[in-house]
Amino acid sequence: DTGVSQNPRHKITKRGQNVTFRCDPISEHNRLYWYRQTLGQGPEFLTYFQNEAQLEKSRLLSDRFSAERPKGSFSTLEIQRTEQGDSAMYLCATGTWGDEQFFGPGTRLTVL
Amino acid sequence: GDSVTQMEGPVTLSEEAFLTINCTYTATGYPSLFWYVQYPGEGLQLLLKATKADDKGSNKGFEATYRKETTSFHLEKGSVQVSDSAVYFCALSYSGAQKLVFGQGTRLTINP
Repeated sequence: DTGVSQNPRHKITKRGQNVTFRCDPISEHNRLYWYRQTLGQGPEFLTYFQNEAQLEKSRLLSDRFSAERPKGSFSTLEIQRTEQGDSAMYLCATGTWGDEQFFGPGTRLTVL
Repeated sequence: GDSVTQMEGPVTLSEEAFLTINCTYTATGYPSLFWYVQYPGEGLQLLLKATKADDKGSNKGFEATYRKETTSFHLEKGSVQVSDSAVYFCALSYSGAQKLVFGQGTRLTINP
């Protein structure tokens, strides 16, 4: 399978714990995006990488959130001191210079 | 800021019925417009797109026309099938960073 992959697919954690999600892009896709989707809503933009450079961050990305893309390949999204309001589906999408973004299956986070 | 508004769901139709899902947008510039679809258990997939006013995007029997005068991008299909049951998202983005701004999604169910 050469699509965008995300791990884990599901994560259940207790409030206050740290969690980390991983996204592996389609090979040669230099652009990588993170979105968050809550139940009944459309995805909301969190952050964007071009190669290894993080070029844009949403106001939604509080200081408890950090994202990295070392060497411009896979990316990680870490949430520190999780809160119940962080429960959502976290989506990764990748692309090249064209318009289309290819989405991964998402990581569903549940904070108890 | 930019935003996308979709018609309220869920929408339930019988097989072979005509489908319209309304989408309007508010934009500060001249965005590209998209329809993404999310089938049960799968990630978001691009369905069709239009990059400038009066362009018509089409795919799998679905069509949408970029109407600048009414700031709309309504999705239509002449004869729906049970396999079209999914959640449909209207979205916009600009060239450059190309982050997507999504509507809230419309759940479509087609009954045989």
